[in-house]
Amino acid sequence: GAGVSQSPRYKVAKRGQDVALRCDPISGHVSLFWYQQALGQGPEFLTYFQNEAQLDKSGLPSDRFFAERPEGSVSTLKIQRTQQEDSAVYLCASSPFRVAGEQYFGPGTRLTVT
Amino acid sequence: QQPVQSPQAVILREGEDAVINCSSSKALYSVHWYRQKHGEAPVFLMILLKGGEQKGHDKISASFNEKKQQSSLYLTASQLSYSGTYFCGIPGSARQLTFGSGTQLTVLP
Repeated sequence: GAGVSQSPRYKVAKRGQDVALRCDPISGHVSLFWYQQALGQGPEFLTYFQNEAQLDKSGLPSDRFFAERPEGSVSTLKIQRTQQEDSAVYLCASSPFRVAGEQYFGPGTRLTVT
Repeated sequence: QQPVQSPQAVILREGEDAVINCSSSKALYSVHWYRQKHGEAPVFLMILLKGGEQKGHDKISASFNEKKQQSSLYLTASQLSYSGTYFCGIPGSARQLTFGSGTQLTVLP
C-alpha cells in the first residue's frame, strides 16, 4: 500500500515569499504530525492533528507558520514571508493511533530560502 | 525536554554489536526508536514500554536502566543495512515525539 507522500520534495523560495507544503497521509490514519528537521538534528515537533482538529500547535516557531487539515486527510503547512532560518526539511508523519504509537513518516520537503 | 543520545557516532564491522543510549532528566515511561538513512524518512524500529515490553523489530532490542531515566538500544550481529542515524523519541502530552539529536551508525564490511 501507499505510504505517506509529500510534495514538493524540494522547494527553493526567495526570502519573503510564501510557500505551501502538502502531506498525503496513509488512508484512514487519524493522527497527523508535522516536524521540522535541521541538518544533523532530530525532527522537532511543529503541530498535531487528530482528524481535522488541530489539537496542538505549540511547536510552530512563529505566526508565519500555519497548518490545516480541513477534511481530516490531506494536510498543508504554509509558511508566510519565508526567512532564511526557515530552511530545513519538513517532515509529515501519520499514525492510526490516537495515543502515542508508531508514526509513519513521509520523505519530507527540503525547503531552501535564499 | 530533549533526550540526550550517546555516542554521537559509532563505526563497527559487520557482525559486531552496538549499544546506543538515550538519557532523560525525568523518568521515562516509553521510548520510541527510529532509524533514518541519509535523505530518507525516519523508519519506526520499536517502542519500549514502561513494563519493559517491546513492540517492533525482532533483531533489535531495548531496555530501561534501573531508574528508568535511560534507555539503551541493542543491535546484535550488525548488518550493512543497519547503517543510518538512530533517534530515540519520548512521547509528549499531545502524542508528539521529542527526539534526541541522533547517533550515526556506520557498519563496514
